[in-house]
Amino acid sequence: QVQLVQSGAEVKRPGASVKVSCKASGYTFTSYAMHWVRQAPGQSLEWMGWINTADGNTKRSQQFQGRVTLTRDTSATTAYMELSSLRSEDTAVYYCARYRGSYQMDVWGKGTTVTVSS
Amino acid sequence: QSALTQPPSASGSPGQSVTISCTGTSSDVGAYNYVSWYQQHPGKAPKLMIYEVIKRPSGVPDRFSGSKSGNTASLTVSGLQAEDEADYYCSSYAGRDNLVFGGGTKVTVL
Repeated sequence: QVQLVQSGAEVKRPGASVKVSCKASGYTFTSYAMHWVRQAPGQSLEWMGWINTADGNTKRSQQFQGRVTLTRDTSATTAYMELSSLRSEDTAVYYCARYRGSYQMDVWGKGTTVTVSS
Repeated sequence: QSALTQPPSASGSPGQSVTISCTGTSSDVGAYNYVSWYQQHPGKAPKLMIYEVIKRPSGVPDRFSGSKSGNTASLTVSGLQAEDEADYYCSSYAGRDNLVFGGGTKVTVL
């Protein structure tokens, strides 16, 4: 079945970086782009950006320009999201989600909790 | 781009209907028919309920319906059931490959 399996929870110091992985299975990885969305505790969903898994092109939300890097490894059918210069406000659950077209996300990972604390 | 505006809460009794609004601008909701709705239960990942304003993915009950008028999209849940109690988020394409979410609405089944 189609699924996205994300890496485990992370605890980071302010100023550090974190890299979250999202392994896809059950479908052709390069046929669907991948979005990244985060959710701070008790807050709404926040779109971070997306990557074209076929050619590696990315689009990042202006809010994260310069701090977020989206990559993928097609041989491993895995997408990655790296966020740098972490601050406490980056404490959140980070989700990857498959893009089915028409700006909809039809399959979601279970989320990766990233905690930024000194 | 700013978040789309949703009411923080909505409620209804079992069997009743509840409608959630999602207000954007002429640059996002009003400009494109790319509004989606997601349901999220506590501690779970979001689930796609509506896409392209009115379409339901397979497996989503027809109790869920979407609509749009001008810069405001709406999600209606008819025949409310206990399992419909959740947070609901709208999202819209905002041009230049950007996406924006709403602030979320907590639906309570009384």
